Amino acid sequence: DIQMTQSPSSLSASVGDRVTITCRASQSIGSYLNWYQQKPGKAPKLLMYAASSLQSGVPSRFSGSGSGTDFTLTITSLQPEDFATYYCQQSYSFPWTFGQGTKVEIK
Amino acid sequence: QVTLKESGPVLVKPTETLTLTCTVSGFSLSNARMGVSWIRQPPGKALEWLAHIFSNDEKSYSTSLKSRLTISKDTSKSQVVLTMTNMDPADTATYYCARGYSSVSAAFDIWGQGTMVTVSS
Repeated sequence: DIQMTQSPSSLSASVGDRVTITCRASQSIGSYLNWYQQKPGKAPKLLMYAASSLQSGVPSRFSGSGSGTDFTLTITSLQPEDFATYYCQQSYSFPWTFGQGTKVEIK
Repeated sequence: QVTLKESGPVLVKPTETLTLTCTVSGFSLSNARMGVSWIRQPPGKALEWLAHIFSNDEKSYSTSLKSRLTISKDTSKSQVVLTMTNMDPADTATYYCARGYSSVSAAFDIWGQGTMVTVSS
């Protein structure tokens, strides 16, 4: 199975900050990397697919980059509604796998 | 509007078999570009992918749970069913179904609201 490792596990940031979350795959997954946002008590929401493609309706302050084994999700100018947990997921090969999540908290 | 909705028991006993149903609307389970996965999340923990079924009935399973899982679909009823045998308290989780769409790199673009399942005697 492909292991997905996110860092950090949690971070504290202020409104307006630039935030970067990293996801590393245990083997090359090309660009088959997706990012989700989850708020407490809610289902996850797709933010980015294919590493750098913004899902329809997602604000442009979210961006993704990377290929192979190393990927990043960046939020420029963090907004109050962005405080949530973020997960990466590989859709390169079965079994599909998620990272352990990164919780973005208010500083 | 595309929606998915999970249904099933709230409480199951250890060793019992869990059966969950995902009813979809707004798309067809025969659409070659779409499939449905089951994903779970224990309280306070990360998401765990369980199983996926494609329009051609091809299936894939989590390595660690493969022996306990069966996924199937009834296209005419727009339903995807997951069964998990020999339930254990460690299987207590919110279970989600989600659409995997090839146009977004097979990412899960639409999720159900989730259904919480507790395993306890």
